Amino acid sequence: NAGVTQTPKFQVLKTGQSMTLQCAQDMNHEYMSWYRQDPGMGLRLIHYSVGAGITDQGEVPNGYNVSRSTTEDFPLRLLSAAPSQTSVYFCASIERGPSGESAEAFFGQGTRLTVV
Amino acid sequence: AQSVTQPDIHITVSEGASLELRCNYSYGATPYLFWYVQSPGQGLQLLLKYFSGDTLVQGIKGFEAEFKRSQSSFNLRKPSVHWSDAAEYFCAVGALGNNDMRFGAGTRLTVKP
Repeated sequence: NAGVTQTPKFQVLKTGQSMTLQCAQDMNHEYMSWYRQDPGMGLRLIHYSVGAGITDQGEVPNGYNVSRSTTEDFPLRLLSAAPSQTSVYFCASIERGPSGESAEAFFGQGTRLTVV
Repeated sequence: AQSVTQPDIHITVSEGASLELRCNYSYGATPYLFWYVQSPGQGLQLLLKYFSGDTLVQGIKGFEAEFKRSQSSFNLRKPSVHWSDAAEYFCAVGALGNNDMRFGAGTRLTVKP
């Protein structure tokens, strides 16, 4: 079972460049999200999606765009990379329980991004 | 929105000793609580979760956690730590009707031989 697949695993960008982090899940989950992980700050929510065609902002959305054209894919776009976006990025696909609660998050392996 | 505080950034315990990692949450209604573990260079793996019912929940790898509503806490425990438990541990909170999951800053566990 693939679960959640993130690509690439590592990336170095120059300031001002753009790129897309890919995320795909094969569990047919409606809810997906993107987090960034920085030392001492845990995981902070960037954007999330509750289904195809529906996205919303999390805690730290500035500088990032998302779209959700299919249930499986949830790419994260950096429009103009800045050194402050140096971080480890995780995509999560979240299973919902019988009452609509977030039952469990399944994470990708992460993308380590460095912006120079 | 809900939030989580993990007061301990780094904890060191000796192998075989007991462990308790603290987690406090903030949410007005009944929370859904989780503990995840992250090994170096890896993603996060679910250890255990609490939705309702028995306030003492058992997880994988011998971990357990206790939900205490009066203290807004969900502390993680293990009676005897193994060297392979060295990792970073994250507490998270979700909520009914609120589709995001919020994480604490994490606690890094070091295990001494």
